Amino acid sequence: AQRVTQPEKLLSVFKGAPVELKCNYSYSGSPELFWYVQYSRQRLQLLLRHISRESIKGFTADLNKGETSFHLKKPFAQEEDSAMYYCALRGTGANNLFFGTGTRLTVIP
Amino acid sequence: DAGVIQSPRHEVTEMGQEVTLRCKPISGHNSLFWYRQTMMRGLELLIYFNNNVPIDDSGMPEDRFSAKMPNASFSTLKIQPSEPRDSAVYFCASSLGKNSPLHFGNGTRLTVT
Repeated sequence: AQRVTQPEKLLSVFKGAPVELKCNYSYSGSPELFWYVQYSRQRLQLLLRHISRESIKGFTADLNKGETSFHLKKPFAQEEDSAMYYCALRGTGANNLFFGTGTRLTVIP
Repeated sequence: DAGVIQSPRHEVTEMGQEVTLRCKPISGHNSLFWYRQTMMRGLELLIYFNNNVPIDDSGMPEDRFSAKMPNASFSTLKIQPSEPRDSAVYFCASSLGKNSPLHFGNGTRLTVT
């Protein structure tokens, strides 16, 4: 069975401080991992995916298969980063995504 | 491209009434997904379609929920009869298929009193 765990429902950091949103997964095969973000009053949108290995809006995430984690990191948080962040997993050959319960990030000015 | 279009944006109804949520996927996308978002459980997959055919409906809570996709440009999610515990935001998403990211609509906020 596949599972995505985001242990923090709420996370607050000060502007300019580093931020890390945790995501752990459980899957027997080789999953594809994603981070989606939902800003206030906007639709859910893709932030980044592990196969792209890119930095979007200063965020990065590295797939750690040994620790089965895909934590989202940013060295200096900005106020506009305040949003709901969802980690998601897609199984090998699958089409649908399984989402974690989400973490609401608040960046304090 | 207008993206995935959902209607209505908000729906308030009384317990026992039928509710129909609508979704228009992005043109050319052949996969469509219905998700439910709640504070307690986050985003849960209800059902998804490939080429208008339901592939996995194991997430549909119970027989009160049904979904159809009569053609490539339209899908409905129906709840009959509705109950207060169905109150949530329902998202529709579409994609080009495997290996493609999902694109979400703005969601329908359902309140059942």
